Amino acid sequence: QSALTQPPSASGSPGQSVTISCTGTSSDVGGYNYVSWYQQHPGKAPKLMIHEVSKRPSGVPDRFSGSKSGNTASLTVSGLQAEDEADYYCSSYAGSNNFEVFGTGTKVTVL
Amino acid sequence: QITLKESGPTLVKPTQTLTLTCTFSGFSVSSSGVGVGWIRQPPGKALEWLALIYWDDDKRYRPSLKSRLTITKDTSKNQVVLTMTNMDPVDTATYYCAHRRVVDWGFDYWGQGTLVTVSS
Repeated sequence: QSALTQPPSASGSPGQSVTISCTGTSSDVGGYNYVSWYQQHPGKAPKLMIHEVSKRPSGVPDRFSGSKSGNTASLTVSGLQAEDEADYYCSSYAGSNNFEVFGTGTKVTVL
Repeated sequence: QITLKESGPTLVKPTQTLTLTCTFSGFSVSSSGVGVGWIRQPPGKALEWLALIYWDDDKRYRPSLKSRLTITKDTSKNQVVLTMTNMDPVDTATYYCAHRRVVDWGFDYWGQGTLVTVSS
């Protein structure tokens, strides 16, 4: 059960956009539309930002959007704000045997 | 509103068994479509999915830890319990429990987490 691959870091200036990738295989990301994204501030519990590839839970700003192409899912944060600086993790359903796998995490810095 | 809170020992010795309890409110784990999962995070590292139990008592485990993990639910107490046997220092982590609805897939509510250190 290998972790999904994310870039270690990403950055952008306030107001800009940043996109984080999450690469898996056809057995997880590519095989199902069950990709979620979580935001985690230091010392805090993760917060669900996106579920089922592109759906935003109530209360999540529409600056956050998700998509998927093949075995790679992406999270885009538009109009970056200081409070968006955090770690971001993707996760995916991985079939009945492996069930669920998280990504390696990406630290987003707002310059 | 939905809240969850983890409880258990903060320090365990190698080879001991860890028992963590997730006590929640605002939902019932016997309601159709509801699940409670456990996720851990070693210090400075990424999240790791461990286990999940659904309203119908369907249970899922991380394959590499399946022989060491047991997840159960107590509907009357609004609790989900995770036990992990044969603890090792590499199991040192913050352990989170979280709520899920099958229809949404993601973990939408999380506990605050509890740090468990494995050391002699």
